[in-house]
Amino acid sequence: DVKVTQSSRYLVKRTGEKVFLECVQDMDHENMFWYRQDPGLGLRLIYFSYDVKMKEKGDIPEGYSVSREKKERFSLILESASTNQTSMYLCASKPGSSYGYTFGSGTRLTVV
Amino acid sequence: QKEVEQNSGPLSVPEGAIASLNCTYSDRGSQSFFWYRQYSGKSPELIMFIYSNGDKEDGRFTAQLNKASQYVSLLIRDSQPSDSATYLCAVTGDYKLSFGAGTTVTVRA
Repeated sequence: DVKVTQSSRYLVKRTGEKVFLECVQDMDHENMFWYRQDPGLGLRLIYFSYDVKMKEKGDIPEGYSVSREKKERFSLILESASTNQTSMYLCASKPGSSYGYTFGSGTRLTVV
Repeated sequence: QKEVEQNSGPLSVPEGAIASLNCTYSDRGSQSFFWYRQYSGKSPELIMFIYSNGDKEDGRFTAQLNKASQYVSLLIRDSQPSDSATYLCAVTGDYKLSFGAGTTVTVRA
């Protein structure tokens, strides 16, 4: 089975901190994604990457950046964390255009 | 206009009944369709996918696709309390999936 691993299940950070969320997949998938999920707002796409060093903005990229230096790893960076970035963050990967996602277990981030 | 619409919930069904979930999509060129189940506090897990018109059955789950009507549905037969979750419909578009807002199902014992 494909595994998508997110480095932390729970994180608490202070306002203004730089935050790194890491995601690693083990099945050589080209495409990787970062979503946030908030009650009543559903899944919202932050950034995605369809190849190493390639990145595309999703629907809500403001306040975030990403890095994909290796195919298996896709990092989400909160440049200066704010309380409105408190959320569940979900990483996902998929092999090609016709396939569904495999999600990681999620990181619940709280910014205080 | 939202790309993927799901019937609003929550949906409450008695144990043993059939739960019926509906989803419509706007992009006529969509090729692949997925149903995810998400338990509270957990990440979504893929339970069904369908590419061709018609029905696809997997255990107690049946996915139905009608591309002409741009409609996909999920039936859960013999509903169990463990089926209580939010179900997300997703449709492929270029590199990424478009998700519906989800329908929350509660199975009453």
